[in-house]
Amino acid sequence: NAGVTQTPKFQVLKTGQSMTLQCAQDMNHNSMYWYRQDPGMGLRLIYYSASEGTTDKGEVPNGYNVSRLNKREFSLRLESAAPSQTSVYFCATNRDSRYEQYFGPGTRLTVT
Amino acid sequence: QKEVEQNSGPLSVPEGAIASLNCTYSDRVSQSFFWYRQYSGKSPELIMSIYSNGDKEDGRFTAQLNKASQYVSLLIRDSQPSDSATYLCAVNLWGGYGGATNKLIFGTGTLLAVQP
Repeated sequence: NAGVTQTPKFQVLKTGQSMTLQCAQDMNHNSMYWYRQDPGMGLRLIYYSASEGTTDKGEVPNGYNVSRLNKREFSLRLESAAPSQTSVYFCATNRDSRYEQYFGPGTRLTVT
Repeated sequence: QKEVEQNSGPLSVPEGAIASLNCTYSDRVSQSFFWYRQYSGKSPELIMSIYSNGDKEDGRFTAQLNKASQYVSLLIRDSQPSDSATYLCAVNLWGGYGGATNKLIFGTGTLLAVQP
């Protein structure tokens, strides 16, 4: 029972390159989230999916797109990476909005 | 005013002492409150969730919620060096008629250092 998994763990991109961060959960949770964490800024919500088939913007959605592929998987895509997107990205899930979220191990992304 | 505020610390306590971590929030009708622990280079790990006024105890941890004063706190009894980490307070916003939203707002965290 892996909980929440994320791939890759580390990634270095050049400005303008694209990539997709993958998240999968085996907790049978309905809701999934993407956050970024920067020093001094805390965790900020990028996008979320309240249930399979729906996605909504969070606090900092610009420069990102998401896909809720099925109940288990939620991906985050950077179409044209910028140095400002250098951050640690976390995926999280919960049963529904009232309940605690469980986090994946994170992806450390550097854009040069 | 930030929606969720924490003192960034560091909060330094000796081993065996009680560590007291505080968090205030601005949304008067928030319903769900959480404490996470985050070790350096790791992901946030849930410690406690609390939904109603009063105290909730789990082992060495006690969460305290006071909705009238809009604060939530975490007490760690018999602090150990392994408790040294950043503690994140998170508050779920209330969406009015629609109920709780999916927007969990995090504070920037308090760094706790337990000295052996």
